[in-house]
Amino acid sequence: DTGVSQDPRHKITKRGQNVTFRCDPISEHNRLYWYRQTLGQGPEFLTYFQNEAQLEKSRLLSDRFSAERPKGSFSTLEIQRTEQGDSAMYLCASSTWTGLGALYTFGSGTRLTVV
Amino acid sequence: AQTVTQSQPEMSVQEAETVTLSCTYDTSENNYYLFWYKQPPSRQMILVIRQEAYKQQNATENRFSVNFQKAAKSFSLKISDSQLGDTAMYFCAFLNQAGTALIFGKGTTLSVSS
Repeated sequence: DTGVSQDPRHKITKRGQNVTFRCDPISEHNRLYWYRQTLGQGPEFLTYFQNEAQLEKSRLLSDRFSAERPKGSFSTLEIQRTEQGDSAMYLCASSTWTGLGALYTFGSGTRLTVV
Repeated sequence: AQTVTQSQPEMSVQEAETVTLSCTYDTSENNYYLFWYKQPPSRQMILVIRQEAYKQQNATENRFSVNFQKAAKSFSLKISDSQLGDTAMYFCAFLNQAGTALIFGKGTTLSVSS
């Protein structure tokens, strides 16, 4: 397994357009998370899935954002009617429980620039 | 709600020296997990070290060690014998016992110079 993969790595879009990002987690991990990270800041939690069920959503996840994880495998994050404030790095992570708590693996992220 | 505070936006250190990064957190839970992550420039987040709150012994991983003070809700990271490759942004993170989601601090940018 090559880790958590995210696609695309970079996305430039015009304000008002819709964008969709994909995340492929480590296959054995049943939990998948989306975070948003702006420049010079820590990642902010957006949402997480256990298998195909979306169990928690942050208040940061406005109505323009939607995430899915069909069949409990890959996940997509869609942003509708993008705004300049959506410009950020979107990180995906997956996790599994060990005897020492959850072990997270992060992807390299998708950098979104809204112009 | 849990919060994580890193009060040092930037730190710098010379190669081979020791540096300590600070982190405090707030929670009403008794059992939880704490982590330090490293994010090199334009590269992905990687785990440096982790600590279980129910363990009194401080975690160590080679040149990295923590000073965990549960009563004070403090979790500092010590990097010994700093190397140029340690240059990165370092994030302190909290995970509750249910493992809902990692909560990150704002990070400390560490620069190691020769």
